[in-house]
Amino acid sequence: KQEVTQIPAALSVPEGENLVLNCSFTDSAIYNLQWFRQDPGKGLTSLLLIQSSQREQTSGRLNASLDKSSGRSTLYIAASQPGDSATYLCAVFWGKLQFGAGTQVVVTP
Amino acid sequence: GAVVSQHPSWVICKSGTSVKIECRSLDFQATTMFWYRQFPKQSLMLMATSNEGSKATYEQGVEKDKFLINHASLTLSTLTVTSAHPEDSSFYICSAIGARGTDTQYFGPGTRLTVL
Repeated sequence: KQEVTQIPAALSVPEGENLVLNCSFTDSAIYNLQWFRQDPGKGLTSLLLIQSSQREQTSGRLNASLDKSSGRSTLYIAASQPGDSATYLCAVFWGKLQFGAGTQVVVTP
Repeated sequence: GAVVSQHPSWVICKSGTSVKIECRSLDFQATTMFWYRQFPKQSLMLMATSNEGSKATYEQGVEKDKFLINHASLTLSTLTVTSAHPEDSSFYICSAIGARGTDTQYFGPGTRLTVL
């Protein structure tokens, strides 16, 4: 069964610290993996998309890595800010997009 | 970047009525659109996949007669919740991809449905 797991479910860090969010998946035959941000009551904002052939993607303070052999992806957010507070979702595309349950992040000033 | 809109953004209706939600790709042609449902504090669950001009493919456990999906054009898909009940109250989100198939899915802002 194809499943996506995100740990931890919630995370609180002081402003300025680096954030590390983990995503694991059960089937390595993926097309791509995507990280999203969701603010309360809002839709999804795509952050980074990593194709199956890629090892990482970077955008500004965000860096996402992909290790298919171990079934893992990690999202790093450098120098966190209160505006980074949101729920971060990992989703794997196996022909359909399968979402993890998300990690709720709170960055305290 | 590609933009997907949804209308309405929120709707409140009485039990037993039907509600239609529209999903539009504003600046690209969407060969495939997806409908998701998200309950509070939970992740998104795929309900159905719709391809322009053909019948939608529903996920296991999703009632196709209750959740009617129409993808009449390359820029518009509609989800109609028929005979809505309080347990249908949820956040409904659509997404769309273009002709390249496995490329990025662009998500709409979601529609909050509350059934009284």
